[in-house]
Amino acid sequence: GQSLEQPSEVTAVEGAIVQINCTYQTSGFYGLSWYQQHDGGAPTFLSYNALDGLEETGRFSSFLSRSDSYGYLLLQELQMKDSASYFCAAYTDKLIFGTGTRLQVFP
Amino acid sequence: GAVVSQHPSRVICKSGTSVKIECRSLDFQATTMFWYRQFPKQSLMLMATSNEGSKATYEQGVEKDKFLINHASLTLSTLTVTSAHPEDSSFYICSAEGLAGVLSRAYNEQFFGPGTRLTVL
Repeated sequence: GQSLEQPSEVTAVEGAIVQINCTYQTSGFYGLSWYQQHDGGAPTFLSYNALDGLEETGRFSSFLSRSDSYGYLLLQELQMKDSASYFCAAYTDKLIFGTGTRLQVFP
Repeated sequence: GAVVSQHPSRVICKSGTSVKIECRSLDFQATTMFWYRQFPKQSLMLMATSNEGSKATYEQGVEKDKFLINHASLTLSTLTVTSAHPEDSSFYICSAEGLAGVLSRAYNEQFFGPGTRLTVL
C-alpha cells in the first residue's frame, strides 16, 4: 500500500527550530508537498519538493531525499501562530496525505 | 487567483436525510476536482476524483451510491451524502486541480476549499 508516516505530535517554544519528518512509501512519485492546517480550517500549501535538496520559503524550509524516501519540514523562529497540524503529501496519480503532526508552540 | 469555495460551510441534519455540498473554482477552470473526508484528529482521506463530464472515480471502501458526485461544469462539482447517518459526520473538503505551470507551484497542485462541517444527528 501507499503510506506517509509522520510523528503524531511535536512541542517547542517560541523562537525555537523544529523539524517534522516524513517517510513515504508510494508508487509513481512526482514530489512531496507540505500543508498547514489550523483547527477547523482547510489545508494551506506551504512548500513543494520535486527534486532532492532543500527548498527555503521564509521561515519554512522543506527537504527531500528520493533515494531515502524521506523528507522533512523545518520551521524556524517559531511563533505561537505556528501551532497547527502539518501534513506531508505525496504527488502520485493523486495526492496522498501523511498521518499528520500536531505542533504545539509554547511561550 | 486559484480560489475554491465550498457551500455550505456547516450543516446539521437529521439521520436519513440527504445533504448536498457544492465546490466551485472561482477564478479558474478545473477539469479535475477531488473530495476528501477528515475525521477529528485524523488525516485527509481521498474519497473520489471528479472529472468534468464523466463519472467520478471512487477510492476503495467509499460507497458510490451513498456519496454521489456530479461534475457538470468546469467550475462546479457537487457531493451529495445520501441517507446520512451519524457516522457520516465529518469535515468534507474539496480541491481543484490547477493547470500545471500556470497556476501551480507544484506538479498538478491542488487548491483546497474551506471545507464543510457535516453533523448528522
